[in-house]
This record gives sequence, C-alpha cells and structure tokens, in this order.
Amino acid sequence: DTAVSQTPKYLVTQMGNDKSIKCEQNLGHDTMYWYKQDSKKFLKIMFSYNNKELIINETVPNRFSPKSPDKAHLNLHINSLELGDSAVYFCASSPTGTSGYEQYFGPGTRLTVT
Amino acid sequence: QKEVEQNSGPLSVPEGAIASLNCTYSDRGSQSFFWYRQYSGKSPELIMSIYSNGDKEDGRFTAQLNKASQYVSLLIRDSQPSDSATYLCAVTPGGFQKLVFGTGTRLLVSP
Repeated sequence: DTAVSQTPKYLVTQMGNDKSIKCEQNLGHDTMYWYKQDSKKFLKIMFSYNNKELIINETVPNRFSPKSPDKAHLNLHINSLELGDSAVYFCASSPTGTSGYEQYFGPGTRLTVT
Repeated sequence: QKEVEQNSGPLSVPEGAIASLNCTYSDRGSQSFFWYRQYSGKSPELIMSIYSNGDKEDGRFTAQLNKASQYVSLLIRDSQPSDSATYLCAVTPGGFQKLVFGTGTRLLVSP
C-alpha cells in the first residue's frame, strides 16, 4: 500500500555514466515532482508535472530529463553524471485543487557519483 | 535574502517541554504553508498545513501563521524524544504549484 515509491533506493555510479530513477504514486494525484536534497540537507525543486505535462523546470542542467508516461509515473534520466550530482533525489506528488498542494514524498534515491 | 528562513539549531528541549520552531518567508504572495518532519536518512513527512492567519491545532502540534509579519511557527507540546528530527518549513509562493523549503531546524528532545 505504498503511496509514493521510487527505485532504486541507492545508486552508485561513475562520472560520465547515464542513469535513471523511477517514481510511481498510487494516490490518484495529478501532479508529481522531483526534488534534490544536497549534502547540506537543502531541499530544492527540480521539476513538476501535471497530468503528464511539464509545468515547472527550475533551471536544472539539461543533462536532467524528466519523463511522465502517465500521471502515476514520473521518471528522471540523468546524462553524463558529474560529481556534483551526488545527492538524494525525492519524488513527490500532490492533488490539484484547493488543498494547497500538500505534497507527499517518496523514500528517496541516494545517488553517489564517484 | 533567502526565500524561506529557519534557524538551523539544534534546538534542545527536555522531554515534556514545549518546542517552538520559527520560520519567515520573503514572498508576500505566498498562499500555503507547511511543516514537514524529516528523520535522518528518511523522506520529509507532512505534519501540518496552514492557509489562513491564526492558529491550527492537531494533537500535540499547533501551527501559527501571521501573513502581515510573514511568519510561520510550529509548537510541539509535551515534546518526546521521538520528536527529535529536522523540521522543514515550506511555502507555496505566489500561486506556483511548488514548495520552497527552508533549510530546516534540528530539534533534539532529551529524556
């Protein structure tokens, strides 16, 4: 009965590689997000999708490409990984409407680039 | 000026005391305000949301919002060691469908 799930939980890879992180939510929400939490624990939005459409792109390098095949899934593909990409990546989802966009987070994917 | 500011702490309180966590934000158009709790190595967990001026209570938690002062606070009554975590203040700025987070306040509740 997991609400927001992500795979993999841990990802260790070398500089220059390409990797993907997957996210799925079973809450019936219309909007999904990717956040990055850096080593100082600062949590910052990267992308937001509403019903498969990109609505927020927060000046993220174009090596990061999100894809939403349907409103329950949001994937993140990262090309040419760099050391600075090491962080925890969280997927989140929220309903659209008057709820104030309460967001519910997945367990996170810890990416380590060596 | 950061969009959402919090004292990083740690804020240390004894068990049973009231913990008071504060947050200020810069965007006057902000509409929705949230408190998340994040245990070490875990994901942020929504514990309170508040949308209008005043107080909102839920169990041991009370959120307070003062839009004129651009100030949000979270009170935790009867603090327990299990409340020890980082508390993140988050704001929805100007109707944008995103959250802007503060850097979090680390709370330590000692038995």
